Amino acid sequence: NAGVTQTPKFRILKIGQSMTLQCTQDMNHNYMYWYRQDPGMGLKLIYYSVGAGITDKGEVPNGYNVSRSTTEDFPLRLELAAPSQTSVYFCASSPGQGAGTEAFFGQGTRLTVV
Amino acid sequence: AQSVTQLDSQVPVFEEAPVELRCNYSSSVSVYLFWYVQYPNQGLQLLLKYLSGSTLVKGINGFEAEFNKSQTSFHLRKPSVHISDTAEYFCAVSNAGGTSYGKLTFGQGTILTVHP
Repeated sequence: NAGVTQTPKFRILKIGQSMTLQCTQDMNHNYMYWYRQDPGMGLKLIYYSVGAGITDKGEVPNGYNVSRSTTEDFPLRLELAAPSQTSVYFCASSPGQGAGTEAFFGQGTRLTVV
Repeated sequence: AQSVTQLDSQVPVFEEAPVELRCNYSSSVSVYLFWYVQYPNQGLQLLLKYLSGSTLVKGINGFEAEFNKSQTSFHLRKPSVHISDTAEYFCAVSNAGGTSYGKLTFGQGTILTVHP
């Protein structure tokens, strides 16, 4: 079972470029999330989705956009990349049966903006 | 709003020694509590969680944690660590209410390094 799959694993962007981080899950989970991880800061929620067609902002949404056209996919779009977006990005999913259900994480995408 | 504070950024220990990783949280509502582990260059994996009931929670790999509501703490413990426990550990909380949608608030992380 693949779980949560993120692509690419690594990427270097130039300032002002744009890109899409891909995330797909094969567990038929309703809830999906994007977090960013910065050293010594833990993980911060960027955006989340509770089902196809429904997305909402998290704690640090500026500079990012998301869409959820299917249950499986939850891509994260970076427009006009900035050095402050250098980070490790994690996608996660959860069955959504209750707030205490476990979130399953992908392997992460390490992004560097130069 | 919620916040999580992990009191130690790094914890070095020798193999077979006991370890405690400390976590305190702040919230105006009831919360669920989690510990996740991140091995190098990997995603996060759930160690254990507290939802309700017994305040002592047992997880995978011999880890356990105790929920202390009066001290708003959820410290992680293991009586004897192995080299393979070397990793970064994250404490996290989510709002126990129905509209939280499983969103997690994380602590800053504690790097556990086990020396031979």
